[in-house]
Amino acid sequence: SYELTQPPSVSVSPGQTANIACSGEKLGTKSVCWYQQKPGQSPVLVIFQNAKRPSGIPERFAGSKSGNTATLTIGGTQAMDEADYYCQAWDSTTYVFGTGTKVTVL
Amino acid sequence: EVQLVESGGGLGHPGGSLRLSCAAAGFSFSRYDMHWVRQRIGKGLEFVSSIAAVGATHYAASVKGRFTISRDNDRSSFHLQMDSLRVEDTAVYYCARERDRDFDSWGQGTLVTVSS
Repeated sequence: SYELTQPPSVSVSPGQTANIACSGEKLGTKSVCWYQQKPGQSPVLVIFQNAKRPSGIPERFAGSKSGNTATLTIGGTQAMDEADYYCQAWDSTTYVFGTGTKVTVL
Repeated sequence: EVQLVESGGGLGHPGGSLRLSCAAAGFSFSRYDMHWVRQRIGKGLEFVSSIAAVGATHYAASVKGRFTISRDNDRSSFHLQMDSLRVEDTAVYYCARERDRDFDSWGQGTLVTVSS
């Protein structure tokens, strides 16, 4: 089965940049999206089609992809960005989520 | 405003059944593919099942043959019939709307606990 791998945790100081990687076989040929999930809340789509931001998502959230690794970048990280982040892609007939990354703003 | 509201969660027993429902509002429901995604406590997100606007269905291998997804476009709702429940089905179940291979709207989730 298809798998997407993320680092379990990322720590960042307020105002600094956080980078969250997501890797998977042939990910370069797939469309990747990213979700933010705060404790006790439902996931929120923050990036779709690799690099597009839904309306209402701050510009500090950016997506990119190089080879088989997609990256979510949070520039100028704020305390409110502390959350779990999941990448997601579609493979054949199934929707696969990454293993998730907990972002801690120190 | 898009709204998705789940209902039907609660306590189920191993081998038993539960039926989840998701009521949709604020968009043309019949035009969208809809999904169930679950999250075991403290764990990540897991695709469970989907139903296309035209009715085609897909299931995760872990639930295939036990769960059945259906939709009622007249009532802007869709459902997940969960049979032969297992302890490992315990999770928060979210309904979600698909836009283009991504999920742009989610419900608040409903907790399913399977225990004897």
